[in-house]
Amino acid sequence: EDQVTQSPEALRLQEGESSSLNCSYTVSGLRGLFWYRQDPGKGPEFLFTLYSAGEEKEKERLKATLTKKESFLHITAPKPEDSATYLCAVQAYNNNDMRFGAGTRLTVKP
Amino acid sequence: EPEVTQTPSHQVTQMGQEVILRCVPISNHLYFYWYRQILGQKVEFLVSFYNNEISEKSEIFDDQFSVERPDGSNFTLKIRSTKLEDSAMYFCASSEASGRGGYTFGSGTRLTVV
Repeated sequence: EDQVTQSPEALRLQEGESSSLNCSYTVSGLRGLFWYRQDPGKGPEFLFTLYSAGEEKEKERLKATLTKKESFLHITAPKPEDSATYLCAVQAYNNNDMRFGAGTRLTVKP
Repeated sequence: EPEVTQTPSHQVTQMGQEVILRCVPISNHLYFYWYRQILGQKVEFLVSFYNNEISEKSEIFDDQFSVERPDGSNFTLKIRSTKLEDSAMYFCASSEASGRGGYTFGSGTRLTVV
């Protein structure tokens, strides 16, 4: 069964303090791994798709990387506006749904 | 930037009643989805819809649920005989292709069953 585990559950950083979020996955034939940002009371907002091990994507202070077992979302010099829940999701070749992890709730203090 | 629009933003219903949640996906997208998120829990897949039919559904999506694309723009989720445990945020999403490039999610409908 496809599984997605995110760690840590919650992370508190000072503004400017870089860190990484982890997403470990088990899937039978990875079609894509997705990162989303979710603000309270809102829908997930698409950040990145990664398709194969070794791939990296960047957007502003965020960088996502992928191996055969896990993905990392690196946050460089975060700002308070980066505070949100970050969700990882995987999609397998043999089905059409996206399976989400429980998310990492990031708080960045000024 | 194109958006997925969901209405209503909040719906309160009596247990046992039927509700219809509405979504307007992005106009050139071909794949449509419903997800739900019970408070404090994971985002869970309900159903995907392509070419006017269900392409995939989860074990959650039983006979209580149905989806429809009544015209060229709307995509609806009907929940019959609502139960207390149906209380959740329901998200509609759409994508150009099946998953590639990610899904665009709406802001959700908060369903409260009392």
